[in-house]
Amino acid sequence: GESVGLHLPTLSVQEGDNSIINCAYSNSASDYFIWYKQESGKGPQFIIDIRSNMDKRQGQRVTVLLNKTVKHLSLQIAATQPGDSAVYFCAETENYGQNFVFGPGTRLSVLP
Amino acid sequence: NAGVTQTPKFQVLKTGQSMTLQCAQDMNHNSMYWYRQDPGMGLRLIYYSASEGTTDKGEVPNGYNVSRLNKREFSLRLESAAPSQTSVYFCASSVRTATDTQYFGPGTRLTVL
Repeated sequence: GESVGLHLPTLSVQEGDNSIINCAYSNSASDYFIWYKQESGKGPQFIIDIRSNMDKRQGQRVTVLLNKTVKHLSLQIAATQPGDSAVYFCAETENYGQNFVFGPGTRLSVLP
Repeated sequence: NAGVTQTPKFQVLKTGQSMTLQCAQDMNHNSMYWYRQDPGMGLRLIYYSASEGTTDKGEVPNGYNVSRLNKREFSLRLESAAPSQTSVYFCASSVRTATDTQYFGPGTRLTVL
């Protein structure tokens, strides 16, 4: 697979446990946020998004929390499975524009 | 549906050589994007095309050119490759705007010696 993510922070969780991945964003004017999953050797895959007028959004086994006060975004994965092992990164944009700012990512490792 | 396809998967160039990275999507999307991804860093937008016939610069356009050949295809050209352009390049497409879900290709790993 690609060499990107060699020096990323890693979160190791036991299979079946819940995972929480965090992201600090920089622009207080950002109003739209996305979480992506990237498996080794593949392109990023959309997981869930949230607009700045919300503080929580739920999907299937995933929840995104947005705290605009401290400019913090988190992704919670319930009942983590081996297939969840990947690099996860957040992206933010202002005025719903094309120029997203992407975080470097966190590597999630699911232990059997 | 193949989604977003990219060619080649891997490429090694010498400094000063040129090449074109190809991208095609079969989802009838209007918008297409080129990103680069460097180790330990997030994706950075190089160029995007909001519709056939239009292209706009992203965050890091220097050293690159693009062509939106038709609705399906969006190519990225390096006229004179430099070692700083060693990276993994991803193409993406979305229905209309960047806040529509972007679908990414598998990437091209480019090394410039």
